[in-house]
Amino acid sequence: DAGITQSPRYKITETGRQVTLMCHQTWSHSYMFWYRQDLGHGLRLIYYSAAADITDKGEVPDGYVVSRSKTENFPLTLESATRSQTSVYFCASSEDRDGYTFGSGTRLTVV
Amino acid sequence: GENVEQHPSTLSVQEGDSAVIKCTYSDSASNYFPWYKQELGKRPQLIIDIRSNVGEKKDQRIAVTLNKTAKHFSLHITETQPEDSAVYFCAKGGTSYGKLTFGQGTILTVHP
Repeated sequence: DAGITQSPRYKITETGRQVTLMCHQTWSHSYMFWYRQDLGHGLRLIYYSAAADITDKGEVPDGYVVSRSKTENFPLTLESATRSQTSVYFCASSEDRDGYTFGSGTRLTVV
Repeated sequence: GENVEQHPSTLSVQEGDSAVIKCTYSDSASNYFPWYKQELGKRPQLIIDIRSNVGEKKDQRIAVTLNKTAKHFSLHITETQPEDSAVYFCAKGGTSYGKLTFGQGTILTVHP
């Protein structure tokens, strides 16, 4: 689905650096989400947003910051990357409590 | 009340056999239960979903059943094919802000 895009697809960064993962959707969906996927843990919710300027923490928010100044964008920032944040990150959007549509994911490696 | 337990974690079947994956939950508020399929290196994709006012839903070779009293729901795949090999995730939601809570995933392998 070209309607939700993530960038970059792959990123290698060093411990302690700040890195931002981008997510953009073209449907004007109200709800947007960030998940991380790790072996043995499935998909865990980091942050979510119900509308522009409304965000809230999920299950594993520590070390992450989000913003949503526009409905279509929901960037995720790692303030000071740690090796434990090496993961695949998926952004998703939905409307009216329906199922999600996921982006293609960002594979982040922290060295 | 947040977790979803998914079983089995791995499932291996012969082509043409049926596959069943089961998920259980404990809260009473959830009323939306989707299933996602994730092929290797790709994004999870919604394959079927069910809401709490329905007990069963079918779409060709896949079906989902829901028992709200017992708090479990299952994915059934009939006449499996090698292209069904993937990781399958159940999820529950329908409560606050459209959040979904996912199960741990089942790795399904269909042998030709």
